[in-house]
Amino acid sequence: GAGVSQTPSNKVTEKGKYVELRCDPISGHTALYWYRQSLGQGPEFLIYFQGTGAADDSGLPNDRFFAVRPEGSVSTLKIQRTERGDSAVYLCASSLNGVAGANVLTFGAGSRLTVL
Amino acid sequence: AQSVSQHNHHVILSEAASLELGCNYSYGGTVNLFWYVQYPGQHLQLLLKYFSGDPLVKGIKGFEAEFIKSKFSFNLRKPSVQWSDTAEYFCAVNPRSYNTDKLIFGTGTRLQVFP
Repeated sequence: GAGVSQTPSNKVTEKGKYVELRCDPISGHTALYWYRQSLGQGPEFLIYFQGTGAADDSGLPNDRFFAVRPEGSVSTLKIQRTERGDSAVYLCASSLNGVAGANVLTFGAGSRLTVL
Repeated sequence: AQSVSQHNHHVILSEAASLELGCNYSYGGTVNLFWYVQYPGQHLQLLLKYFSGDPLVKGIKGFEAEFIKSKFSFNLRKPSVQWSDTAEYFCAVNPRSYNTDKLIFGTGTRLQVFP
């Protein structure tokens, strides 16, 4: 597609529920990143994929968070047993591979998660 | 702890004033450096980047940034700001020496420009 698409744009859930957030990257972009951004903070790295594999998942805060990218395109971020502290905007970004394209992230609009 | 620091949290300027936003990082070795901007109601977009070569890089909309390796800094500048520059600005670093492509972002600087 023309840009990075994220759904849903807004999600309100109750504490303890399971949530899935979806990201559809730019066609042809091999790398896909997940960040989360709390109010007044910069984007906080969670995980990134090269193709289907997680190349760096050092930012996932605990084992309630999991992400997949089974076909190397769309990715899903999964959060189990949500807590109020998980409330944030979850950002997805994608980039081309290679020296010139690496790290040049194109961001989506984000999914705003509110845990009541 | 390793980090990216943006010392100015909120900057208020009048149109035509000059701008300098500070960014310092604490990663050793080779780094790729970025400034991203988020205009009101829009998503993050790249303003400029530094990978190698000339340490003074120029980006969109008249912005530039200077990489000073000895100071671990990558400050953003613009000689004359416009009302349309009102936005949040984020510095980001990719610590290439750590064998990862992740970007580490600073906490951001909110810039307000008044006519």
